[in-house]
Amino acid sequence: GAVVSQHPSWVICKSGTSVKIECRSLDFQATTMFWYRQFPKQSLMLMATSNEGSKATYEQGVEKDKFLINHASLTLSTLTVTSAHPEDSSFYICSAIGGDTQYFGPGTRLTVL
Amino acid sequence: GEDVEQSLFLSVREGDSSVINCTYTDSSSTYLYWYKQEPGAGLQLLTYIFSNMDMKQDQRLTVLLNKKDKHLSLRIADTQTGDSAIYFCAEKGGGGNKLTFGTGTQLKVEL
Repeated sequence: GAVVSQHPSWVICKSGTSVKIECRSLDFQATTMFWYRQFPKQSLMLMATSNEGSKATYEQGVEKDKFLINHASLTLSTLTVTSAHPEDSSFYICSAIGGDTQYFGPGTRLTVL
Repeated sequence: GEDVEQSLFLSVREGDSSVINCTYTDSSSTYLYWYKQEPGAGLQLLTYIFSNMDMKQDQRLTVLLNKKDKHLSLRIADTQTGDSAIYFCAEKGGGGNKLTFGTGTQLKVEL
């Protein structure tokens, strides 16, 4: 099946720094990718839809200046958490559309100290 | 917004069948999905069903869809300890590619 990778898988950073997370579709091209956030023992919350070559579409309540999304190619989308704070600590998961299906990456655990 | 509900926890014995249920509210759903999430990992697509189908079987997995009642179920036959995980149902509405996820059901398989 289709494969989506994320890098890094786990990152710890200091409060106030920025962190970039990469999402790649390895064996297919994805014009649309999604970024989700998941808190412990909770479901996935859609943060934004990333469209190749255009601006991302953010869900209500998600700060676009804090969570910067760049979808510069058909196989790569990046999420940058700017000026991270402890409340940004979470599990971030991306997905990419292949055909009629969304394929998910393995997730990135962000811990902000 | 649309809502997708699941029971939170299910415990079964190894070798038994597991049935995980899901209800949704979006009458324009086109596809419904089942994903598996193991601890600390992303989501693995298990199976999906198109909204005009009633049933889909794939090896140990059987998906039943009652569109009238907006009820989806996943049956896992001969449940194994490796099936212990959180299972999410998700629906895709008719308006685009966004998925709405259920709350997740934690399946625990006991020996």
